[in-house]
Amino acid sequence: ILNVEQSPQSLHVQEGDSTNFTCSFPSSNFYALHWYRWETAKSPEALFVMTLNGDEKKKGRISATLNTKEGYSYLYIKGSQPEDSATYLCAFLKDTGRRALTFGSGTRLQVQP
Amino acid sequence: GAGVSQSPSNKVTEKGKDVELRCDPISGHTALYWYRQSLGQGLEFLIYFQGNSAPDKSGLPSDRFSAERTGGSVSTLTIQRTQQEDSAVYLCASSLAWEQARTDTQYFGPGTRLTVL
Repeated sequence: ILNVEQSPQSLHVQEGDSTNFTCSFPSSNFYALHWYRWETAKSPEALFVMTLNGDEKKKGRISATLNTKEGYSYLYIKGSQPEDSATYLCAFLKDTGRRALTFGSGTRLQVQP
Repeated sequence: GAGVSQSPSNKVTEKGKDVELRCDPISGHTALYWYRQSLGQGLEFLIYFQGNSAPDKSGLPSDRFSAERTGGSVSTLTIQRTQQEDSAVYLCASSLAWEQARTDTQYFGPGTRLTVL
């Protein structure tokens, strides 16, 4: 059983705050790490796909880093806005066996105006 | 262009009844996945299809669950003799090609919320 854990489970911040959360995954058999954003009443939307140790990806105010040797990824949001409110999911892909993503349970972010 | 669509969006059923959930993937996507999210849990893999290959059913929780994909396109997930623990949001996703799964983005549908009374 693959263990993909996300912390914190939920987060409440004020508009303008910067925030970050963590995804932990197995450091062995790493193939890829995906980040998705899931807004209420919408479909999960892909943010980043990360494959190399030390990878950094950026999309607007959101960025992510990857450490495959120690098995973690951080997602950062700079200057949070109410529209950033969503559940952020990470998903791990192993290099052997089943070719399907194993998701964490997500971090629910609420940004207060 | 059209994204992944799912129907129905909501389904309420009584314990013991059978239900069918439908997924229309993005045209041209050869890989199709089913997941579910139970309350307080992460997305749980159920099954995936890739072209004409045998599906990977390793995530199906019991033999009451089955899925098929006709003509390499539309997929139906069937749950027989539903139980209360089957209540969840069932999500379908499609992607271009699972051979490139490393960087292949999955596009999700809006989900079907199943409630078993």
